[in-house]
Amino acid sequence: GESVGLHLPTLSVQEGDNSIINCAYSNSASDYFIWYKQESGKGPQFIIDIRSNMDKRQGQRVTVLLNKTVKHLSLQIAATQPGDSAVYFCAELGAQKLVFGQGTRLTINP
Amino acid sequence: DTAVSQTPKYLVTQMGNDKSIKCEQNLGHDTMYWYKQDSKKFLKIMFSYNNKELIINETVPNRFSPKSPDKAHLNLHINSLELGDSAVYFCASSPDPSGEKLFFGSGTQLSVL
Repeated sequence: GESVGLHLPTLSVQEGDNSIINCAYSNSASDYFIWYKQESGKGPQFIIDIRSNMDKRQGQRVTVLLNKTVKHLSLQIAATQPGDSAVYFCAELGAQKLVFGQGTRLTINP
Repeated sequence: DTAVSQTPKYLVTQMGNDKSIKCEQNLGHDTMYWYKQDSKKFLKIMFSYNNKELIINETVPNRFSPKSPDKAHLNLHINSLELGDSAVYFCASSPDPSGEKLFFGSGTQLSVL
């Protein structure tokens, strides 16, 4: 079936440290994955995506890793800043629709 | 310029009322969506339209009726509102019906009393 889950609902990191947000997915046939950031009172905002023919993709301060063997996706944020505080969602592409995971709230300690 | 805009941002209403949420995108995208986010932040698709045609109806009660007058607009009308309809409703658009890389609006927080 289609379901996407997260290992941790909350994550607290020190400013300047790296953050790693994990996600498990269940549909081994999924070939597209995406991360969104949702700040308080706003809609989800695209961060980075990856196709199943890749295992790593880098953006500005963010890296997405895909491990198809264990159906695991992670988002790494380098040098975490206060502006990174948000809820982060992974999603996988089902039949013409994104299926979202639960979300992880990332908080930054000064 | 807001890419995907929806109105109103807040909607407070009584049970049994009928209400509408409007959405417009100026990205030139072909596909638009409605997602519902519950109090636990879980996001679930409700509908998608491609060039004014319905392509996904995710077993939403028929009290919810989307309408797409043109490909830049997708409105959501809700009849006989129930307490359980309280949520944040997000409109989104994407360049094509593949479902990839959605651009979301800022949400409409609906509170049914």
